[in-house]
Amino acid sequence: KQEVTQIPAALSVPEGENLVLNCSFTDSAIYNLQWFRQDPGKGLTSLLLIQSSQREQTSGRLNASLDKSSGRSTLYIAASQPGDSATYLCAVDRGSTLGRLYFGRGTQLTVWP
Amino acid sequence: ETGVTQSPTHLIKTRGQQVTLRCSSQSGHNTVSWYQQALGQGPQFIFQYYREEENGRGNFPPRFSGLQFPNYSSELNVNALELDDSALYLCASSPSGSARFDEQFFGPGTRLTVL
Repeated sequence: KQEVTQIPAALSVPEGENLVLNCSFTDSAIYNLQWFRQDPGKGLTSLLLIQSSQREQTSGRLNASLDKSSGRSTLYIAASQPGDSATYLCAVDRGSTLGRLYFGRGTQLTVWP
Repeated sequence: ETGVTQSPTHLIKTRGQQVTLRCSSQSGHNTVSWYQQALGQGPQFIFQYYREEENGRGNFPPRFSGLQFPNYSSELNVNALELDDSALYLCASSPSGSARFDEQFFGPGTRLTVL
């Protein structure tokens, strides 16, 4: 059974810091890994999708890396801003049912001015 | 905006009642998945539909059922509601049945409270 763990559970930093959020998964036979952002009480916004054959993806101040063999992914946020405050979730597509995502519990990020 | 909408936004029911939640996907998105997210947890997969057929199911009892319609809308039905069914219910759609390489687009969710 695929299990996804995210560390840390919560993070509080001043504006401008560079951040690293961690995600690990137990079964390395994944098709892709996706990072999402969730604002309180809201749905999920996709940030980055990394296919299993890729090592990283970048979008603006966000960079996500994937190491399938070790079962790890990191989300790097450069020059954090208060608007980045949200919960960040990673999810892997194991493929037992195509497109079924296994989620971690998320990292709750607070960026203060 | 993902183009995926859900209704209602919030819903309050009592234990034992039945509820229907609705999702409208983007045109051309043949696959829809439903997830349950309890407070402080990550979303848990309920089931997936592809072209109106159930295409996989998570560890949820049969009182959770679904339908998908040709117009890219879908429903999640829950019978005999229990207090633990209180959660945010999310639907997600993707463009094809071979969703392994497809980004999934989530709706804003329906917050269900069972009293």
